[in-house]
Amino acid sequence: GENVEQHPSTLSVQEGDSAVIKCTYSDSASNYFPWYKQELGKRPQLIIDIRSNVGEKKDQRIAVTLNKTAKHFSLHITETQPEDSAVYFCAASSGGATNKLIFGTGTLLAVQP
Amino acid sequence: DTGVSQDPRHKITKRGQNVTFRCDPISEHNRLYWYRQTLGQGPEFLTYFQNEAQLEKSRLLSDRFSAERPKGSFSTLEIQRTEQGDSAMYLCASSYRLAVNQETQYFGPGTRLLVL
Repeated sequence: GENVEQHPSTLSVQEGDSAVIKCTYSDSASNYFPWYKQELGKRPQLIIDIRSNVGEKKDQRIAVTLNKTAKHFSLHITETQPEDSAVYFCAASSGGATNKLIFGTGTLLAVQP
Repeated sequence: DTGVSQDPRHKITKRGQNVTFRCDPISEHNRLYWYRQTLGQGPEFLTYFQNEAQLEKSRLLSDRFSAERPKGSFSTLEIQRTEQGDSAMYLCASSYRLAVNQETQYFGPGTRLLVL
């Protein structure tokens, strides 16, 4: 069935360092890959997304790369700040008419000041 | 706040009781999704509506669960005869589907359910 694997499950970095989170997906029909940031007790917030016709997208300190052949996509955060600390979820759309999102299990990012 | 809203934010109930949650999507969004999130996991798809039509239900959605979106605006999710395993965060998301691969889902704050 449809599956998204996410690694690592926890990531601790020093302020100013870069953080990379990686995901793989199983459904070759997936064509949309969003990343959500969720702080404790709050809603998932979309931080960046990429569609299958694009290989890379950047928004200030955040970038996402997509390799459709390998079914991999990654989130890159540069110059991390303490306020980047949260749980990050990758997701892949189911493709077809539904476009439901299949989520990874999340990465707890801790940015140490 | 013009984002997705959900009510109530928290619900504590006893096993066997029925509960109902409400989701108000972003105005003019034609799609509405329900997800369930348990501690330490990502959200899992439950069901979705395009306008008032419920187009897909997950295998996770047992017969005790029912969802409606009667006028294509707000939606309700009802759980009958709640079980302790129903304890979770129930998230609603809405989107405007312009075309295939032209859709972004925005989440509400969720309803946290605890079944005692």
